[in-house]
Amino acid sequence: GQQVMQIPQYQHVQEGEDFTTYCNSSTTLSNIQWYKQRPGGHPVFLIQLVKSGEVKKQKRLTFQFGEAKKNSSLHITATQTTDVGTYFCAGGKGNFGNEKLTFGTGTRLTIIP
Amino acid sequence: ETGVTQTPRHLVMGMTNKKSLKCEQHLGHNAMYWYKQSAKKPLELMFVYNFKEQTENNSVPSRFSPECPNSSHLFLHLHTLQPEDSALYLCASSLGSSGGETQYFGPGTRLLVL
Repeated sequence: GQQVMQIPQYQHVQEGEDFTTYCNSSTTLSNIQWYKQRPGGHPVFLIQLVKSGEVKKQKRLTFQFGEAKKNSSLHITATQTTDVGTYFCAGGKGNFGNEKLTFGTGTRLTIIP
Repeated sequence: ETGVTQTPRHLVMGMTNKKSLKCEQHLGHNAMYWYKQSAKKPLELMFVYNFKEQTENNSVPSRFSPECPNSSHLFLHLHTLQPEDSALYLCASSLGSSGGETQYFGPGTRLLVL
């Protein structure tokens, strides 16, 4: 079955440092979504990428979808304490009307003030 | 708030108890999901309902029994659970069940099985 892996599993950074998490799928995806889960909270949708090579930005967050549509990355510039949480990618795959969204294993980010 | 509510927020139950988790979405969505989140496996999809019909059962043990009376409500009936079933149970909804749809999660029910 489809697998979506993320690395690293954990990341500890000093406040102000950059952070990147990588998402890799075993199969070609129709789209990739990113979610953030704060400690004690629930996953919240951040963004969706659909096109090969697509790059989107949200303030300090940059999301990229690979050319082959099998991998993606989330980069945070100059991390802040509010960035703490677990970041999940979720890959969509399948034929129209029969697609499935598979969540990645997540990367837990902690910030050292 | 995401428009998806879950009750109860916390639940402690013995292995012989029967309890139910409730999820309600106020977003007009047609698909609803149950996920299990534990330390070992971050997000495990359990069940998918689309227009009240179950479209996916991800090899979930029969001690978990879902019910979807309409597109706005989803239940998870629990009976004779095991301690390893202790986890955060998340409900989500989306407009459709296509893999391109954004999912909106509820706050979850944190379950402890003694």
